[in-house]
Amino acid sequence: GEDVEQSLFLSVREGDSSVINCTYTDSSSTYLYWYKQEPGAGLQLLTYIFSNMDMKQDQRLTVLLNKKDKHLSLRIADTQTGDSAIYFCAESMTGGGNKLTFGTGTQLKVEL
Amino acid sequence: EPEVTQTPSHQVTQMGQEVILRCVPISNHLYFYWYRQILGQKVEFLVSFYNNEISEKSEIFDDQFSVERPDGSNFTLKIRSTKLEDSAMYFCASHPRQGARNEQFFGPGTRLTVL
Repeated sequence: GEDVEQSLFLSVREGDSSVINCTYTDSSSTYLYWYKQEPGAGLQLLTYIFSNMDMKQDQRLTVLLNKKDKHLSLRIADTQTGDSAIYFCAESMTGGGNKLTFGTGTQLKVEL
Repeated sequence: EPEVTQTPSHQVTQMGQEVILRCVPISNHLYFYWYRQILGQKVEFLVSFYNNEISEKSEIFDDQFSVERPDGSNFTLKIRSTKLEDSAMYFCASHPRQGARNEQFFGPGTRLTVL
């Protein structure tokens, strides 16, 4: 079955870049997503990438996809204290009705 | 901006009791989902619902669970006889249409505590 793994913690200084990594097993995944969860809140979609892309940039966020190694990363440039949260990668097949399979989540702590 | 809402935000119940968790998806969305997150663990898929029927369910979603869209706006998850291990955050999500990138919009969650 599908499995998505992430490292559990990442600590960075404010202003540095953060890189959160994710590996997945399902080679038929067509979309990969990054969600952000702040304490006590729901899941907020940050960005996504289609599996035929290598990279996607969206303001401070850069997503890199290595489909051969089934490795996804999220880079946050100029990390701010407001970026402190849990970040989940997720994968799915294309189209509505298809479940999201989430990773374990990476807790990002941004220190002054 | 339209959003998915869920009530209550926190539900405390005794083991063996029935609970109903309520969600109002974004209007004109067609696909609805329930996920749960046990404290400190992954977000896990429970069930997806389209055109008034279940389209997929996970192993977690056994016969103690049911979903319903009783009217044009609400989407509910019922747990018939709660167990301690049902304690979790339950998230509802919705998606607008077929095709597209399966962008699911999540509600803020209901924290269920079973005593």
